Amino acid sequence: NAGVMQNPRHLVRRRGQEARLRCSPMKGHSHVYWYRQLPEEGLKFMVYLQKENIIDESGMPKERFSAEFPKEGPSILRIQQVVRGDSAAYFCASSPSPPGTGSVAFFGQGTRLTVV
Amino acid sequence: DQQVKQNSPSLSVQEGRISILNCDYTNSMFDYFLWYKKYPAEGPTFLISISSIKDKNEDGRFTVFLNKSAKHLSLHIVPSQPGDSAVYFCAASVIGSQGNLIFGKGTKLSVKP
Repeated sequence: NAGVMQNPRHLVRRRGQEARLRCSPMKGHSHVYWYRQLPEEGLKFMVYLQKENIIDESGMPKERFSAEFPKEGPSILRIQQVVRGDSAAYFCASSPSPPGTGSVAFFGQGTRLTVV
Repeated sequence: DQQVKQNSPSLSVQEGRISILNCDYTNSMFDYFLWYKKYPAEGPTFLISISSIKDKNEDGRFTVFLNKSAKHLSLHIVPSQPGDSAVYFCAASVIGSQGNLIFGKGTKLSVKP
């Protein structure tokens, strides 16, 4: 039973390019969360998705960032026209039921994005 | 405004002694709390949780205490081991809502042999 899989582990992009981060949740988990960790900071919530639906995107920057969780395939966090300030570790988590049910979210190993 | 606060960025403890990590929250609606441990270059790993109907939950060397009136929880590790050295994050959510997990900034624990 594989855990939450994120790829790539490391991603380097030049300013202005697009970054695509992938997350495959644990088997049986239909709830996916994306978090960002800036240097010396805690984990900041970005977006919560269920299959084909965005449930809560209150933590997503208004521009350049988007997320999806299609019926088939991994969840994708997409950052367009990256800037240096986007450099961070991006973590995906999944759970079998919504956080409001008291279920535990399990995290992937993260994607470290570096914008040069 | 931080809803979940971990006011100690770091803590150093001798091997074999007790480690106490603290967490305060401001949102009285939170009723489910979790602790995660994170090693460098890895994702957070779930440690232990507690719901607001309890004031204590124990799992091996790890015990979480919840004081609802003070909006405070703590994680006790006894005895501390060098392998416990990591960053510990406190997180909170509201049962029955679609809300997400809100994390504190973390406390870096160093257990010295």
